[in-house]
Amino acid sequence: AQKVTQAQTEISVVEKEDVTLDCVYETRDTTYYLFWYKQPPSGELVFLIRRNSFDEQNEISGRYSWNFQKSTSSFNFTITASQVVDSAVYFCALSEAGNSGGSNYKLTFGKGTLLTVNP
Amino acid sequence: ETGVTQSPTHLIKTRGQQVTLRCSSQSGHNTVSWYQQALGQGPQFIFQYYREEENGRGNFPPRFSGLQFPNYSSELNVNALELDDSALYLCASSPSPGTPGEQYFGPGTRLTVT
Repeated sequence: AQKVTQAQTEISVVEKEDVTLDCVYETRDTTYYLFWYKQPPSGELVFLIRRNSFDEQNEISGRYSWNFQKSTSSFNFTITASQVVDSAVYFCALSEAGNSGGSNYKLTFGKGTLLTVNP
Repeated sequence: ETGVTQSPTHLIKTRGQQVTLRCSSQSGHNTVSWYQQALGQGPQFIFQYYREEENGRGNFPPRFSGLQFPNYSSELNVNALELDDSALYLCASSPSPGTPGEQYFGPGTRLTVT
């Protein structure tokens, strides 16, 4: 069974600090996808990144960076120079490779980390 | 391009009643998934519809049922509502074939059961 663990329930930082959100996953599949989503108070989930299990290269997008380590089953997310607008709940999620019908299978989410960035 | 829309935005029901939530998928997307997000928790997969048939189901009882229509819009029906059904219900659409897990979420319907 798939499982995603986000051990940090809440994190509070001051603007311009760097912050890392941890994500540990479990799966028996050799092919899988990892995701990070942002959920602002409005409730809509905003897609941030997708990585497949065969690509362990770290990725940077502006102030966001992701560290995927298969050896430790972790997919951590770092925000550099945090801003007040980064305040939200962040979810890590895992998906299987999909079934033979070609449709996309379910996302398994962690419980989320509430990030508060104070001015 | 229109994104995923859901209706209603908010809903209050009484225990034992039935409710129908609606979702319009993004243009060109033929797969719809439904998730339940209880307060302080991550979304949990309820089920997915592909080409008008259920294509995978999470650990939810049969009183949670769904439909997908020829235009790929979808409904989530919950019978015999319980207090624990109070949650944000999220709909996500995706193209198929497509990248696994590639899902586009709507704003959700917040259901309160009293």
